[in-house]
Amino acid sequence: EAGVTQFPSHSVIEKGQTVTLRCDPISGHDNLYWYRRVMGKEIKFLLHFVKESKQDESGMPNNRFLAERTGGTYSTLKVQPAELEDSGVYFCASSPQTGGAFFGQGTRLTVV
Amino acid sequence: QKEVEQDPGPLSVPEGAIVSLNCTYSNSAFQYFMWYRQYSRKGPELLMYTYSSGNKEDGRFTAQVDKSSKYISLFIRDSQPSDSATYLCATTLLSGNTPLVFGKGTRLSVIA
Repeated sequence: EAGVTQFPSHSVIEKGQTVTLRCDPISGHDNLYWYRRVMGKEIKFLLHFVKESKQDESGMPNNRFLAERTGGTYSTLKVQPAELEDSGVYFCASSPQTGGAFFGQGTRLTVV
Repeated sequence: QKEVEQDPGPLSVPEGAIVSLNCTYSNSAFQYFMWYRQYSRKGPELLMYTYSSGNKEDGRFTAQVDKSSKYISLFIRDSQPSDSATYLCATTLLSGNTPLVFGKGTRLSVIA
């Protein structure tokens, strides 16, 4: 069974540019989450989809971040325009109804 | 006060030692507790998932939860060099389908 897959694995962009991160969850998992780890800090929740609907987006830092989940399958997280403080590792996770989140390998974003 | 406190280490032990990793949490509403293992440049991998106070064993790993003192532990018996990784504790309010709150992670090295 394929795990959670994230693209790209690493992205380096200049301040002010736009970056789009993609996540393909485990097939059949209705729940999809985005998390972020900034250097030296703990992993923090960004938002939660149930199928295509946003269940909780309380962790989104500001309106430069936009997440979508097309047809309840893959999800994208767009940062526009990127700022230096957006650098970090962005993780996607999915879970079945019974719980237990499975994480992707992460996208390391560097804004210079 | 952080919601989940975890000593980041690093912790270095000889092969075969018993390892004890610990976290405390502040919110008594947290009901589910998890331990993740993260190798360098990889995503967190779910190790143990528990709900009730008490012990849960899986091979060389034992997760312990004491809700009265808001204390969670992970014990690793007969530690191996392949156990060298960062161990993250996490908790959540309801089932696995609510956002996870993570500790910072403890970096463990098992020396052969």
